[in-house]
Amino acid sequence: QVQLQQWGAGLLKPSETLSLTCAVYGGSFSGYYWSWIRQPPGKGLEWIGEINHSGSTNYNPSLKSRVTISVDTSKNQFSLKLSSVTAADTAVYYCARARVVVVPAAIGGGSVYYMDVWGKGTTVTVSS
Amino acid sequence: SSELTQDPAVSVALGQTVRITCQGDSLRSYYASWYQQKPGQAPVLVIYGKNNRPSGIPDRFSGSSSGNTASLTITGAQAEDEADYYCNSRDSSGNLVVFGGGTKLTVL
Repeated sequence: QVQLQQWGAGLLKPSETLSLTCAVYGGSFSGYYWSWIRQPPGKGLEWIGEINHSGSTNYNPSLKSRVTISVDTSKNQFSLKLSSVTAADTAVYYCARARVVVVPAAIGGGSVYYMDVWGKGTTVTVSS
Repeated sequence: SSELTQDPAVSVALGQTVRITCQGDSLRSYYASWYQQKPGQAPVLVIYGKNNRPSGIPDRFSGSSSGNTASLTITGAQAEDEADYYCNSRDSSGNLVVFGGGTKLTVL
């Protein structure tokens, strides 16, 4: 059973860099997208970005200029860095495993994207 | 468009059936996935693809889709189903990921 364990600093000052790491236990690292999602207090889920095992990344355009996601396949870990944080970056940050499955045309076609394993979340507060 | 739209809140009487919907252009290319989130907990995948339930998810949860709209149906809602529900897919380009704004389900 795959588990994700995440850690990182929970209290930051404005302008500092948020840094979180997520370790993958019990499963393969390849064939998946490894994602970061955040949830501000009382609000919905916001996708931050993703990386695959070969290091290819996609980022939310609204955060792209400040986000770096990296992977260390030797340790089965991936990491998030978010620079120049402000109070608006205060949120619970989750890591998650995701995959895309292409449905054969014979049974309807289309594609399926889902996040099937989630970390427990890390609360990050930005305050002076 | 890269947005998914959900009703903010829905209520259902205990034991009755409720449908939660999600609309967006990306759903013409990608099936929606659905997540349940209870207070203080991480989201849990409940439905993905045409109508697939991960192991451990009760069969009262089901999914469907038509055009740009996906639906999550709970048949015989239980008190423990009270939670926030989010839909999710990749956007139409396939390069980005989008979430709906979430639907707060109240079981009366």
